[in-house]
Formats: sequence, structure tokens, C-alpha cells
Amino acid sequence: ETQLVESGGDLVQPGGSLRLSCAPSGFTFNEYWMSWVRQAPGKGLEWVANINQDGSEKHYVDSVKGRFTISRDNTKNSLYLQMDSLRAEDTAVFFCARGGQGKYCTVFDRWGQGTLVAVSS
Amino acid sequence: QLVLTQSPSTSASLGASVKVTCTLSSGHHTYAIAWHQQQPKKGPRYLMIVNPDGRHSRGDGVPDRFSGSSSGTERYLTISSLQSEDEADYYCQTWGTGFQVFGGGTRVTVL
Repeated sequence: ETQLVESGGDLVQPGGSLRLSCAPSGFTFNEYWMSWVRQAPGKGLEWVANINQDGSEKHYVDSVKGRFTISRDNTKNSLYLQMDSLRAEDTAVFFCARGGQGKYCTVFDRWGQGTLVAVSS
Repeated sequence: QLVLTQSPSTSASLGASVKVTCTLSSGHHTYAIAWHQQQPKKGPRYLMIVNPDGRHSRGDGVPDRFSGSSSGTERYLTISSLQSEDEADYYCQTWGTGFQVFGGGTRVTVL
């Protein structure tokens, strides 16, 4: 069974840092684009970042460029999101999502259950 | 700019059908979209991809009560024989080179 399990969410002060992890199982991790998607309380889904199969291509939404870094370790079957200079508006549930096997990141066909990041003093 | 627009909410009776609409911004009628379901307090679930020609392909385990169609810049999700567990938020998603876009979501209420 294909699964994505996020971890690392926590309460952090503004300006702080946090690293999220996603542990995939049930599929060949290094064949897929992977992404992070967030959902602020009571709001809709917002794409945050994606990374290609070998980690050589990364893309970010403008609001997190220069603050967040997506990475992956295919030897450990893990996806990460390093979040620095956190702001109150980054408060959200963060989901890990699988984004396709091709040259581009396309359909999110598997999702995790999410991990909560709360930024507050 | 690629934008997806959805109505905030809709409702239908138990056992009836409901059609949810996702509208692509002008000039983007060739884009496929995906539909996702998010039940309360859960992570999203992929339902299907809908192509510009109206063909759709459901994800693993998605009941055939869920179907998709297209017309111009509009992409549709139709849920037939509505059940209580279909009460959820439904999001459309599309993609470009290096980015992803979501619609604002449509809450479906089962009466």
C-alpha cells in the first residue's frame, strides 16, 4: 500500500526554523516528483514546493522563496522541507504529495495526512 | 496567469447528483486538471484527472459514482447517487512548468 507519513510539525516562534520530513512507502520513491502543499486554518490548499526525481530541479511558490528549502534523500527514502525565518502566516498543516513520474510535476496522486506547523510567540 | 476558479459551496440531497465546476483562466482551455476530495479533518484524496477533451481517469479505488467532463475552459466533477460520506471539500488542481495551482475549493453539503 502506498503511504506518505509526515512528521516534524511543531509550535515555533516567529523567525525560527523547523524541518519537516516525509516518509514514503509502497512505491519506488526515486521515480517520482515530490511536493509539499500547505493549508492554513480554515483555508484552501496552497502548493509550496516540488522537487524532481534526483533532486536536481526544485521550484517554490514566491512567498517562501529564500526561506524554505525542499530536499530529498533517495538512499533513505525521505523528503524534507527546511523552513527558516518562519512567519505567523506560515501557520498551516503541511502535506507531502506525490507528483508524477515524468519530466514535469503533474497530478498529485497520493497524499499524506499532514503535520501541523504553528508559528506564534 | 493560470488561475482556477471554483464556487465556494453547493448542496444536494442524499441519493441525488451534484456537479462541481472548476473554471480555467482565459486562454488556458488546453489544460488538464485533477480533482481532489478532502473530508473533514483528513488529508486530501486524489479522485481523477480530467482532460480537455472530457476524457477522465479515476484514481485507485475511486467509485464510478465520481465522473469528470469538460467544456471549453470548464472542468466538471459529477457525483451521482450522493452519499453522506461525499460531504467534503473538493479542489481542482493544475500545473505548469515548475508550478502547481489549486482552485479555492467547493464545499459539497449532503442534505
